[in-house]
Amino acid sequence: DAKTTQPPSMDCAEGRAANLPCNHSTISGNEYVYWYRQIHSQGPQYIIHGLKNNETNEMASLIITEDRKSSTLILPHATLRDTAVYYCIVGNNQGGKLIFGQGTELSVKP
Amino acid sequence: NAGVMQNPRHLVRRRGQEARLRCSPMKGHSHVYWYRQLPEEGLKFMVYLQKENIIDESGMPKERFSAEFPKEGPSILRIQQVVRGDSAAYFCASSPLTAGNEQFFGPGTRLTVL
Repeated sequence: DAKTTQPPSMDCAEGRAANLPCNHSTISGNEYVYWYRQIHSQGPQYIIHGLKNNETNEMASLIITEDRKSSTLILPHATLRDTAVYYCIVGNNQGGKLIFGQGTELSVKP
Repeated sequence: NAGVMQNPRHLVRRRGQEARLRCSPMKGHSHVYWYRQLPEEGLKFMVYLQKENIIDESGMPKERFSAEFPKEGPSILRIQQVVRGDSAAYFCASSPLTAGNEQFFGPGTRLTVL
C-alpha cells in the first residue's frame, strides 16, 4: 500500500499556481518525497524530490513541512499541458520500486 | 541522449499466445523496472532488474510471467499463454547506477488480448 494520502482531484485556472498537497505521516528519517506525474496514456514523468529542505527546479517547487509529515508540490504558472495525475511517493534514495497510490488528478482550465 | 524505448507500442495477442515486450534503457542506465497499469487502475510495480540479475520480483505474478535483462540487449518481459486479464499498459523505467529513485519511464506497450 502507498504510504501517502492525496486528494483525488483538483482544479486550477490556467496561469495560476497549482498547489498539490500530500500527507506522509509515517515517513521515516531516511526516506525522500518524490513527485511524478502521468499525462493521459503516457509514461510517468519525474518532477522533483526532496528530503527535508525545500527544493525548486525548472518544473516545480517542493515544500516539505518541518516535521516532514506533509508536503506541497507547487506548479507556479499552470498551463493546460499540466493537466495530469500527480503522484506523491515516499521512498529511499538507494533505488528500488516506486509504490504509486491513486494520485491527484489535476485539471487546468482556461 | 535518447530516452527509454519500448517496443512494440501496441501488441495484440489471442488467448494462449505469448507476448514479448522489449525495453531499451537510457544510455548508461543499468537498472530497469517494469510496471503494469490495468485499465482504470493505478501503476503497479512488477520487477526490478540489473544487468543479468533480478533484484526484486515481488510484484510479478507467480505463473506465466518472466523478465530478463541480459548483458547485451534490451530487457524483455515475457508473458506466456496470455489471458484477457493481461490486457494492460506495461511501462518500463530505467535509472543510472548512482541515482536515487529518479526513474525515467518509457512510453509503454499496450497489450490487448482478444
